[in-house]
Parts: sequence; structure tokens; C-alpha cells
Amino acid sequence: GAGVSQSPSNKVTEKGKDVELRCDPISGHTALYWYRQSLGQGLEFLIYFQGNSAPDKSGLPSDRFSAERTGGSVSTLTIQRTQQEDSAVYLCASSSDRVKETQYFGPGTRLLVL
Amino acid sequence: QKEVEQNSGPLSVPEGAIASLNCTYSDRGSQSFFWYRQYSGKSPELIMSIYSNGDKEDGRFTAQLNKASQYVSLLIRDSQPSDSATYLCAASSGSARQLTFGSGTQLTVLP
Repeated sequence: GAGVSQSPSNKVTEKGKDVELRCDPISGHTALYWYRQSLGQGLEFLIYFQGNSAPDKSGLPSDRFSAERTGGSVSTLTIQRTQQEDSAVYLCASSSDRVKETQYFGPGTRLLVL
Repeated sequence: QKEVEQNSGPLSVPEGAIASLNCTYSDRGSQSFFWYRQYSGKSPELIMSIYSNGDKEDGRFTAQLNKASQYVSLLIRDSQPSDSATYLCAASSGSARQLTFGSGTQLTVLP
């Protein structure tokens, strides 16, 4: 079946602009995660959605970052007033089995802030 | 600070040999452990998951877990050049059961 999809695959923006990144999880998966992978920082957790529950935002690095998940499916990660240090690959993962917590990753969005 | 530590390598093995990748974790509350393979420019791909002490085999891959020692390993038998990639160890933790990743071990299998 279809895996996790993300768009755009690449995004170049200017410092100070806002960007929106989209994630479409595997159909039926109730859990959705956003991670960021940057050189020197590795892969780090950003935010977690489980069904219709309030999201776990404990990994968001600043209040410029926000995310929403509409209808328990598609999620959008928004970065306001982008900074050069926001340049990274943003990865989305989804999971269907919270007990076993197996997460499947999308292809990522490569963000470059000039 | 919950941490997952890996030897960053690089690790080189000849084709057909066994590659051994190791990982330690700090959070004793972690219940689930994963190995992901990541090719350059691609996203992580799940290779193995392990939840109980002992060994778990899947084809050429064997994952080993020792919760007392807080140690996870991955063995790749009959290594192939196509196995050349970065291998990420991850442990689930926190209220969201999010994954905490190690920095990855870069493996090169030499033909």
C-alpha cells in the first residue's frame, strides 16, 4: 500500500518568510510524528499527534514552530519567520500500533533557508 | 537527557563478512528498540524492531537486546555492497513514545 507522503520534497525560502510542510500518513495510522534531521544534530523529535488528542509539542524548538492535524489524517508543520538554522530535512512518520510503536517514515522535505 | 549512543564509525567490512553494529541507551523506561537503515539523501527505512531480551532474526539480520546492560546490537550476515548505508539505532521513550535516535553508524561493505 501507499506509504507516508510529504510535500514539497524540497523548499528554498528566504530568511524571515513562513513555510508550510505537509504530511499525509499511511491510511489508518492514528499516530503521527514530526522529526527534524540536520547536520550535527542528528534526528530529533518535534511533535506527536495521536488520534484526536491534544498534541505533544515537547520537542518543538521555539514558538515559531507549530503543527496541526486536520481530521486525524493530514498534518501541516508551519515554521514562521524562518531562520538559517531551520535548514534541515523535516521527516514525518506514522504508526498504527501504539503498543509496538513501529514508525514508518516519509521521504522528507528538505528545507533550505537563505 | 535521554540518550542513545552509537559508534559513529565509519565501519568497513569485506563482502560476505559479518557486520556488527552496537548501541547503548540511557532510559531504562524504554520498551521498544529499532534499527533503521538510511541511504544518503533518503529517509530512514525500518530494518528491525525488538522488544524482548535476546535475539531476533530476520533473514540476514539479527537484532540483540540486553535490557540489564541497556545494550542493543545489529548483526548483518553475508554483508553485501548494497548494505552500505548509515544505520540508526532508536529507542522509544517519553509520554509520546517518540523515538530517540543515535547519531548513526556509517557502514561500508567493500566488494
